[in-house]
Amino acid sequence: SQQGEEDPQALSIQEGENATMNCSYKTSINNLQWYRQNSGRGLVHLILIRSNEREKHSGRLRVTLDTSKKSSSLLITASRAADTASYFCATGAARGSSNTGKLIFGQGTTLQVKP
Amino acid sequence: DTEVTQTPKHLVMGMTNKKSLKCEQHMGHRAMYWYKQKAKKPPELMFVYSYEKLSINESVPSRFSPECPNSSLLNLHLHALQPEDSALYLCASSQVVPPSNQPQHFGDGTRLSIL
Repeated sequence: SQQGEEDPQALSIQEGENATMNCSYKTSINNLQWYRQNSGRGLVHLILIRSNEREKHSGRLRVTLDTSKKSSSLLITASRAADTASYFCATGAARGSSNTGKLIFGQGTTLQVKP
Repeated sequence: DTEVTQTPKHLVMGMTNKKSLKCEQHMGHRAMYWYKQKAKKPPELMFVYSYEKLSINESVPSRFSPECPNSSLLNLHLHALQPEDSALYLCASSQVVPPSNQPQHFGDGTRLSIL
């Protein structure tokens, strides 16, 4: 499969705890993006990290990228019940790749934050 | 509210019907996408339009026919669909086609059921 892997597949935590999701991919990338999808809704872009960046922050989100291991992680700090959703990583293929022009999505992590 | 608008939100059709899904964005984006998403799965790319021209067709069956009348509109014409085509159909847009470092903006999708 061209799609990356995410783990865990499902994560259940208490409000206030931190949530960490991991993503691995297979090909050379230009960037890696994280999206959130609430039940019955479309995907919402959260954060984009370029292949030459190692860490990026946005509010309560922290993303790391290790291109040597072809992996990324998304950390959500001080989680809230409203963070309950599915989270997908997506890789933008490097120029010249057979996947140029596409975003390749991981399988997703379902996060439940209990109040 | 999303900046990409999809209509209808729900569609039920028989296998002999012809219907169309519509997508509209007014962000000035020049790349538009159709994705198919099955329950608990990531979105699967179907088509990419760049500057109103079809640039990627992911070997989608001909019963799905995309159309991009202008830079703001994207249609997906459906004919003689099969029950396995039941899914959430998502439209997205971005400033330009990857591998530029641009996020995609998604609509909330059309939930399609084939009887």
